Amino acid sequence: ELKVEQNPLFLSMQEGKNYTIYCNYSTTSDRLYWYRQDPGKSLESLFVLLSNGAVKQEGRLMASLDTKARLSTLHITAAVHDLSATYFCAVYTSGTYKYIFGTGTRLKVLA
Amino acid sequence: EAGVTQFPSHSVIEKGQTVTLRCDPISGHDNLYWYRRVMGKEIKFLLHFVKESKQDESGMPNNRFLAERTGGTYSTLKVQPAELEDSGVYFCASSPYPGTQYFGPGTRLTVL
Repeated sequence: ELKVEQNPLFLSMQEGKNYTIYCNYSTTSDRLYWYRQDPGKSLESLFVLLSNGAVKQEGRLMASLDTKARLSTLHITAAVHDLSATYFCAVYTSGTYKYIFGTGTRLKVLA
Repeated sequence: EAGVTQFPSHSVIEKGQTVTLRCDPISGHDNLYWYRRVMGKEIKFLLHFVKESKQDESGMPNNRFLAERTGGTYSTLKVQPAELEDSGVYFCASSPYPGTQYFGPGTRLTVL
């Protein structure tokens, strides 16, 4: 059974600092997603990573995928308050049509 | 274009009562998914519709949960009778084909 571990669960950081969220998964998958959720809002798709070595960047967020290590990272550069949210990774395997999610990382950026 | 909508946004019920959650997918999306997040844990898959047919219901916890998608448009998820452990946030997602899913804001269910 595919398992996805995400850490840390909670992250409180100062504005301007850098940090990384990790997402490990247990079996091969076709793609990996990162989502952001603000309280009471929909999960917003941030990145989809399709292949080994894939790197995508949007603003202060950069996601990468190492399929050999079964690891994805979401790196935050020079955090700002607006990045405060819960971030989820989700692994998708074709044929199952469903996402397996990590536990989520609740990020709080302090001014 | 309207996104995935869910109703209600919050529901508080007593143990033993019945609750029905509704999901309206993005127009034209044949695939509809239900997920649930129990407090502090991961978001777990419940089931997947393709049009009005259940493609995969392997994540449904037990027979107190009934999902329908009549006509292949909106879907309902009924919990009857509700138990304390059913509390959580229920998410609906839709997609035009298997792959990237678009999520609704969720329904927060509290069973007292």
